[in-house]
Amino acid sequence: DTAVSQTPKYLVTQMGNDKSIKCEQNLGHDTMYWYKQDSKKFLKIMFSYNNKELIINETVPNRFSPKSPDKAHLNLHINSLELGDSAVYFCASSQQGASDEKLFFGSGTQLSVL
Amino acid sequence: GQSLEQPSEVTAVEGAIVQINCTYQTSGFYGLSWYQQHDGGAPTFLSYNALDGLEETGRFSSFLSRSDSYGYLLLQELQMKDSASYFCAADTYNQGGKLIFGQGTELSVKP
Repeated sequence: DTAVSQTPKYLVTQMGNDKSIKCEQNLGHDTMYWYKQDSKKFLKIMFSYNNKELIINETVPNRFSPKSPDKAHLNLHINSLELGDSAVYFCASSQQGASDEKLFFGSGTQLSVL
Repeated sequence: GQSLEQPSEVTAVEGAIVQINCTYQTSGFYGLSWYQQHDGGAPTFLSYNALDGLEETGRFSSFLSRSDSYGYLLLQELQMKDSASYFCAADTYNQGGKLIFGQGTELSVKP
């Protein structure tokens, strides 16, 4: 069973469109994240949720809106897509208070905006 | 600002030992993690150091010196499958806690 699963794996779309990426974890973790990895492989945190509550919101355009219906799910909706949004988006989860602060990552969603 | 510095690329031969260094400048530092990422794959956790010293896990070891704001990942008996990107990440307790990643070191293992 996949611990952190996100869909779709690939997303190709036109500028101006709205798209969503879904993420689910079956590890029973309290905390979930969205990270963006650019073409230079730099991994930058976007959002973090703990038990459905937003705790980290980095400097991300308002076009990006996370939603956590329950602690096992964290979806990312992106409005009015721009060329610069092209990147790989990773969902991740962790157990708050764990001694090793280990993140479990999903397999990533490669977003290409044309 | 908060940042981590690591070399962009390292090349080594099979069977060799390689050390990937990481220096960090962060506030609210808890510990240092290392992640491995193969091309097209997800980052996977390798190790975490909360205390100074060396942590060993099989062929991989990780070291932390808080006083020097420095850590390293040591890979022994290199294998071709170790070719990947390696990221150090600082665990911080500001803003609810988050991992700040370095830029990654691309390790190429040659036969």
